[in-house]
Amino acid sequence: NAGVTQTPKFQVLKTGQSMTLQCAQDMNHNSMYWYRQDPGMGLRLIYYSASEGTTDKGEVPNGYNVSRLNKREFSLRLESAAPSQTSVYFCASSDPDRDYEQYFGPGTRLTVT
Amino acid sequence: AQRVTQPEKLLSVFKGAPVELKCNYSYSGSPELFWYVQYSRQRLQLLLRHISRESIKGFTADLNKGETSFHLKKPFAQEEDSAMYYCALGTPDGLTFGKGTHLIIQP
Repeated sequence: NAGVTQTPKFQVLKTGQSMTLQCAQDMNHNSMYWYRQDPGMGLRLIYYSASEGTTDKGEVPNGYNVSRLNKREFSLRLESAAPSQTSVYFCASSDPDRDYEQYFGPGTRLTVT
Repeated sequence: AQRVTQPEKLLSVFKGAPVELKCNYSYSGSPELFWYVQYSRQRLQLLLRHISRESIKGFTADLNKGETSFHLKKPFAQEEDSAMYYCALGTPDGLTFGKGTHLIIQP
């Protein structure tokens, strides 16, 4: 039982490049989330998915797109990376009956130059 | 809109001293409050939830609806408690996190 996994762990992009962050969970959770973590800002929700086939915007969705590929996988795409998107990105999942007990992945540290 | 405030960005205490990390919230409905912890360069993990009134790793937190607070306390700090601590509020919109407090336990 790996829990929530994320790839890659580290990534450096140049402004304007695109990339997809991958997230998978093996806990049969319905809900999945993408957060970004910035110093002094805490965690801010980018997008979430309450179930397979549905996605909703969070607090800071601009510049991002997501895909809930199936129940296990939830990817985050940066179409044209900007330096303001330099951050640590966390994926999380939760049981539908315990939406607030979220299980987090190890994070992806992204630098955009 | 809901809000979670953690007034201290950084809190430094000596080993063996008491610790209190402050958290205040703003929410019109019935709140569910949580504390998450992130050890150095590790993933966030749930530490406490108010509804269970449990003590984890010696930490406790009491929900005070009158003061809209959910402060995290530990009577005797240990070096392994050094970490980032996030208070979070659960609502139908999901979890709202505070900006976090970096706790440093000095030997």
